[in-house]
Amino acid sequence: DAGVIQSPRHEVTEMGQEVTLRCKPISGHDYLFWYRQTMMRGLELLIYFNNNVPIDDSGMPEDRFSAKMPNASFSTLKIQPSEPRDSAVYFCASNRGTAPGETQYFGPGTRLLVL
Amino acid sequence: SQQGEEDPQALSIQEGENATMNCSYKTSINNLQWYRQNSGRGLVHLILIRSNEREKHSGRLRVTLDTSKKSSSLLITASRAADTASYFCATDDDSGYALNFGKGTSLLVTP
Repeated sequence: DAGVIQSPRHEVTEMGQEVTLRCKPISGHDYLFWYRQTMMRGLELLIYFNNNVPIDDSGMPEDRFSAKMPNASFSTLKIQPSEPRDSAVYFCASNRGTAPGETQYFGPGTRLLVL
Repeated sequence: SQQGEEDPQALSIQEGENATMNCSYKTSINNLQWYRQNSGRGLVHLILIRSNEREKHSGRLRVTLDTSKKSSSLLITASRAADTASYFCATDDDSGYALNFGKGTSLLVTP
């Protein structure tokens, strides 16, 4: 299995631009999680999906952030407009969700820099 | 929201020594997990310990869990330079399906 795939791996953009991050979960995994990692705040859960349906988006910082999962093999996290404080590493993770607190499998992350 | 809190924030040891990291959390859990993150990479699951377990081993890893103190420890024995990474504890949240991560312990193992 290829594992969780994220693209792009690096993104540099200017303030005000739209940024779209992409994730392909492991096949057969029903849960997909988006995290943001910064030095100051550590690893924060932004949103997670079960069977393509958003379950908890309470971690999404602002209306500038939106996430979708149009099908079981693809999810996007969009920031519009982007701001310098959005600079972080964004991780996608997935699992089967067969039991509470199940192991999550992480992608390599997208390193975002907003100038 | 973050629940786990690792201690120390940074740890530097020499190859062959043991490394111990601690994690404290606030609310009741179903299980607790430890993950490793190498520089510039995603997190990798190391070990899971359930709330009814007190100790678990996996290779050179030993994890303990004390639910009365809401704390866990990760021991890496006979450390190697390749163990250099950040280590995170994670606990399940109220829904049971999401995880709350601490800020991690940065471990440096020098040859």
